[in-house]
Amino acid sequence: GENVGLHLPTLSVQEGDNSIINCAYSNSASDYFIWYKQESGKGPQFIIDIRSNMDKRQGQRVTVLLNKTVKHLSLQIAATQPGDSAVYFCAENSYRGKLQFGAGTQVVVTP
Amino acid sequence: DAGVIQSPRHEVTEMGQEVTLRCKPISGHDYLFWYRQTMMRGLELLIYFNNNVPIDDSGMPEDRFSAKMPNASFSTLKIQPSEPRDSAVYFCASSLRSTNEKLFFGSGTQLSVL
Repeated sequence: GENVGLHLPTLSVQEGDNSIINCAYSNSASDYFIWYKQESGKGPQFIIDIRSNMDKRQGQRVTVLLNKTVKHLSLQIAATQPGDSAVYFCAENSYRGKLQFGAGTQVVVTP
Repeated sequence: DAGVIQSPRHEVTEMGQEVTLRCKPISGHDYLFWYRQTMMRGLELLIYFNNNVPIDDSGMPEDRFSAKMPNASFSTLKIQPSEPRDSAVYFCASSLRSTNEKLFFGSGTQLSVL
C-alpha cells in the first residue's frame, strides 16, 4: 500500500480484549507479507510473516490472516496487553522484489 | 548476536553541514538496507546492498545522499550538504539471504537539521 501522511489510523483497545489490525495491499502478485511492530523511539520489530500459499498463520498470541481475493491482510492480537501499544505496519513484497511498507496503525491499549 | 547497530542515536546539525550515519548489520546477513521514516511519507527504502554491492539506489532522494558499504560489517549513509527537509529517522536493516524475507532493523538515527 501507499504511505499516507500525517495522521495514522488509531485503534483503541481495552486491556484483555482482542485486537484486529487491517491492511489492504496493492500488488496482486505479492507472495510474501510481514507484520512489524514499532514502539516509540525504536526500530520496527518483526512479529509474524505469511506466504501467499497460506491463508492463516499463528504465532504466540498473534494470528495473521490473508485474503488474496480482496488483497487484505489482518493481524489479530489475543488478550491485548499494555505492552502491545505501538504502531503496527504491514509490508508486502513489491514488483521489484522489495518489501513495501504500509502507513501503519497506532494501537492504544487502555486499562 | 547484538542485532543491527546504528550510530549515532541522535544527530543535530546545521544546514549545509555533512552528516554521516553508520550501521553494522547482523553478522552473516547478505543484504543491507537504508530506510528513512517521516510522518509524511512513512518508511521509504533509500538503497540496498547485496554482499557489499549497491543494487538499487532508486530511492535515494538526491545527489546529496550517498551510501557505501566497504565491507560486510559496516555501511555509511552520508548527506552532504544537509538540509532541514532531511530531518527524519534513518533506519538500517539487514536480511539473511534476500530482499523478500524478514528484515531486522536497527534502533535508528534521529536526524535534525536546523
